[in-house]
Amino acid sequence: EVQLVESGGGLVQPGGSLRLSCAASGFTFSSYWMHWVRQAPGKGLVWVSHINTDGSSTTYADSVKGRFTISRDNAKNTLFLQMNSLRAEDTAVYYCARGGTSGSYDYWGQGTLVTVSS
Amino acid sequence: EIVLTQSPGTLSLSPGERATLSCRASQSISSSYLAWCQQKPGQAPRLLIYGASRRATGIPDRFSGSGSGTDFTLTISRLEPEDFAVYYCQQYGNFGQGTKLEIK
Repeated sequence: EVQLVESGGGLVQPGGSLRLSCAASGFTFSSYWMHWVRQAPGKGLVWVSHINTDGSSTTYADSVKGRFTISRDNAKNTLFLQMNSLRAEDTAVYYCARGGTSGSYDYWGQGTLVTVSS
Repeated sequence: EIVLTQSPGTLSLSPGERATLSCRASQSISSSYLAWCQQKPGQAPRLLIYGASRRATGIPDRFSGSGSGTDFTLTISRLEPEDFAVYYCQQYGNFGQGTKLEIK
């Protein structure tokens, strides 16, 4: 069974940092692109970043470029999102998702809440 | 950047009825890359349809997708109580704003 379990969320002050993790199991992690998608309270889904299978290629939404870094450890089946210079507008539930067929996201974690507030 | 616009914003129907949800792209996209997902309150999204018309693993056949170019449709043939949720269309890193399907 495919499982994605996020952790690392919490309350952080503006300008602070957090590192999110997503532990993957039930599939060959190193064979799949992985994504982070976020959802602000009461709002829709917004793609944040993706990383290719070996970590050599990454892409970011303009809103987080230069502040967030996506990475992966294929030996530990874990995806990361390092978030620096956090802003109030980064407050959201952050989901990791597996890249599926034809650009879809075929499995999602349960999400971890990041709250940026003083 | 491609913008996906979903309509209606809210759809009020009764169990057993047919639901038709629309997703319009700001420019023509390959139907191979249009997906639909479902999100229930407090839950993660779940993939329903990929490639515009292919059901994901375990998705009941009352869910179907169609369309091409700029206009795509998700149809739920006979609504079950568990189908009342928010539905998003998606193309790569672009999501529509969602359609809330609520019980009438």
